Amino acid sequence: RKEVEQDPGPFNVPEGATVAFNCTYSNSASQSFFWYRQDCRKEPKLLMSVYSSGNEDGRFTAQLNRASQYISLLIRDSKLSDSATYLCVVNPRWGNYQLIWGAGTKLIIKP
Amino acid sequence: NAGVTQTPKFQVLKTGQSMTLQCAQDMNHNSMYWYRQDPGMGLRLIYYSASEGTTDKGEVPNGYNVSRLNKREFSLRLESAAPSQTSVYFCASREAANYGYTFGSGTRLTVV
Repeated sequence: RKEVEQDPGPFNVPEGATVAFNCTYSNSASQSFFWYRQDCRKEPKLLMSVYSSGNEDGRFTAQLNRASQYISLLIRDSKLSDSATYLCVVNPRWGNYQLIWGAGTKLIIKP
Repeated sequence: NAGVTQTPKFQVLKTGQSMTLQCAQDMNHNSMYWYRQDPGMGLRLIYYSASEGTTDKGEVPNGYNVSRLNKREFSLRLESAAPSQTSVYFCASREAANYGYTFGSGTRLTVV
């Protein structure tokens, strides 16, 4: 089993719809979690950190489920510009420098 | 603009050639990283530098060396390039261990 797993997609979603995807992690002691966004042939960019209580940033909501060992990303009212690959990142230990990256979920928003 | 600058953006090497990828950040971040990204795989850490003067191996260090020249600069060297090193290389930095990264725009390397 991979340490961090994501459905590669692609998720094809009409503009304006709500879409959600999950990321599972294998190390129950993992401490911090992030979602990054990567556009085609570009560098990853931090989208949001994921806090235990869940957090929201505009149309984006991230949640952590420690019992089932997954994090989720919900995008509401999707825009064409949301088309990208979303990368899940897990820090297996507090203060650790070697983060574990998922391979990403590709999202395509269609007009 | 503040951020992470990588050079070159593209490079084609012949098997056995050597080259150095350059990375510089102007955000006064302590830690810097070199990753490679291959299709269908997550980013894999090659080397990192937790602070100026220190470097450590990541997940896939074989075939690479690094130098943390000063707080701003962290270079990656391929001594004898192999086709398996064809990849996209990203340099990144961050303020502290539990913060998010800022990435450079990447170097697309092809080894023939």
